Amino acid sequence: QKEVEQNSGPLSVPEGAIASLNCTYSDRGSQSFFWYRQYSGKSPELIMSIYSNGDKEDGRFTAQLNKASQYVSLLIRDSQPSDSATYLCAVNTDAGKSTFGDGTTLTVKP
Amino acid sequence: EPEVTQTPSHQVTQMGQEVILRCVPISNHLYFYWYRQILGQKVEFLVSFYNNEISEKSEIFDDQFSVERPDGSNFTLKIRSTKLEDSAMYFCASSESGRALSETQYFGPGTRLLVL
Repeated sequence: QKEVEQNSGPLSVPEGAIASLNCTYSDRGSQSFFWYRQYSGKSPELIMSIYSNGDKEDGRFTAQLNKASQYVSLLIRDSQPSDSATYLCAVNTDAGKSTFGDGTTLTVKP
Repeated sequence: EPEVTQTPSHQVTQMGQEVILRCVPISNHLYFYWYRQILGQKVEFLVSFYNNEISEKSEIFDDQFSVERPDGSNFTLKIRSTKLEDSAMYFCASSESGRALSETQYFGPGTRLLVL
């Protein structure tokens, strides 16, 4: 089982729709969860971090965490073509190390 | 806004040659990291560094790799004898203290290494 698993893509949504990205993790000791956006050939850019069960909202982005289910998700409301990128889920179990998922590629069609 | 910088942006080398990738972390950060991403694959942790010593390293970080903070600003990754499979994008990151699991890591733009 992969340590961090993301829903396989690619994911395509029309402009203005909600994009839903999912991630599961295997280590119950994981305490910090991050969503990064990565454009092709560029470095990961932090979008959201979440540490407690429940929802965390920042603009059009909402992260959801359920530690009992070992599940974290990212919702993007009112998706824009500029949101087209690969979204990476990362989990910190030990301080000083982030474990990344394979990423989900999102395409927002105008 | 402070940022992590990396040089060079691209490096082409022959198999068996040594390469040094350079990073300048954010100035008040104390914890430094190297990650790599092989084309089309996920970002993989290589090593973390704190207080002038390696804090944690992955299985990828074998004897061919080393890290160093030669002065107060640079953080380097050396690959002693490059292999074809070392071709990847290498990202440097830094965080303020590294002690908190919740701490954000800030990534540099990466160095694309191609081994021929």
